[in-house]
Amino acid sequence: NAGVTQTPKFRILKIGQSMTLQCTQDMNHNYMYWYRQDPGMGLKLIYYSVGAGITDKGEVPNGYNVSRSTTEDFPLRLELAAPSQTSVYFCASSYGWAEDEQFFGPGTRLTVL
Amino acid sequence: AQTVTQSQPEMSVQEAETVTLSCTYDTSESNYYLFWYKQPPSRQMILVIRQEAYKQQNATENRFSVNFQKAAKSFSLKISDSQLGDTAMYFCCFSNNNDMRFGAGTRLTVKP
Repeated sequence: NAGVTQTPKFRILKIGQSMTLQCTQDMNHNYMYWYRQDPGMGLKLIYYSVGAGITDKGEVPNGYNVSRSTTEDFPLRLELAAPSQTSVYFCASSYGWAEDEQFFGPGTRLTVL
Repeated sequence: AQTVTQSQPEMSVQEAETVTLSCTYDTSESNYYLFWYKQPPSRQMILVIRQEAYKQQNATENRFSVNFQKAAKSFSLKISDSQLGDTAMYFCCFSNNNDMRFGAGTRLTVKP
């Protein structure tokens, strides 16, 4: 049981480039989330999904897109990368929304230069 | 929107001693959930303890316990008999049906 896996672990992008951060969970969870963690700050919710085909914006969605075609996968797309998107990105999943523990991936450290 | 405040950016404690991490939150809701998550230097975040707002009894998990004061909107984490493996960032999290917020975190160092 791998839990939540994320790829890549590290990435450096140039301004204006695009990339997709991959996230997969094998716990058959309905809910999946993308967060960003800036230095000295807590996690901020970018997007979340309540099931395959259903996604919604979180607190900081601008500059990102998501899709959820299967229960297992929840990729995060960065279009036209900007230095403000330099951060550590975490994917998480849970069975329920507010009441259940979230299981986190190991994170992706992204630098935009 | 709800806010979560952790007023202690850094704390340290001697091994085997007790330490308390503070968390306050602001909400007008009556039904919600509170969590403490631990992020060790390896970065994978894990759940420490969970509290349901409608339960008056404070949650406990082995050496970890909370002091939940609903009226004061306070949710502190007490770590007893601190161990070197407790060294980590600790995040307080508020969630309800409409929102999910994390505090900025407290970096705890356990000294031998």
